[in-house]
Amino acid sequence: GNSVTQMEGPVTLSEEAFLTINCTYTATGYPSLFWYVQYPGEGLQLLLKATKADDKGSNKGFEATYRKETTSFHLEKGSVQVSDSAVYFCALSVGGYQKVTFGTGTKLQVIP
Amino acid sequence: ETGVTQTPRHLVMGMTNKKSLKCEQHLGHNAMYWYKQSAKKPLELMFVYNFKEQTENNSVPSRFSPECPNSSHLFLHLHTLQPEDSALYLCASSQDTGSSYEQYFGPGTRLTVT
Repeated sequence: GNSVTQMEGPVTLSEEAFLTINCTYTATGYPSLFWYVQYPGEGLQLLLKATKADDKGSNKGFEATYRKETTSFHLEKGSVQVSDSAVYFCALSVGGYQKVTFGTGTKLQVIP
Repeated sequence: ETGVTQTPRHLVMGMTNKKSLKCEQHLGHNAMYWYKQSAKKPLELMFVYNFKEQTENNSVPSRFSPECPNSSHLFLHLHTLQPEDSALYLCASSQDTGSSYEQYFGPGTRLTVT
């Protein structure tokens, strides 16, 4: 089956620190990969995506590169802000619209 | 209205009550989803609909009854719930064709069962 593994949280960083949230996956077939973000009291929002190997998704200073050889899609940001505090979900889709698998989420807390 | 909307945003109900959650999407998508999000648990997919047809039911108890009258509206009818059903219920929509199927979520309904 398909699965997504994310690093356990919470992750606590000081403002302007470098962020990495690890995500690895297993999939039957060639998945598309996503990062979603959930701010407190809200639903999930698509942050970025990549649909083929070596693609880099980017948005709002966040980046993730689709690494087929290591089955990974790690999320990075060079300088985090307090407003980035949220829960981040890695996800994949393969084999159809109903076949989306989410990771368990990683809570990020950025302190001033 | 744009995107995916959900009402109500908060709901408190007793175990003998009957209530409904509503979701509406303004994105022209064909697929709609109900998820349950509980503290310290992975996101749980409950139901998937495509053009009003249910295509997935992930062993959800019958006290949860979905309804999809058209491709823009999705309901979740609730009756005789248990306290462990307290959670955030999220609705989402997506295209059903293409290559990547990114989902667009509503803000959720925070349900408390007393």
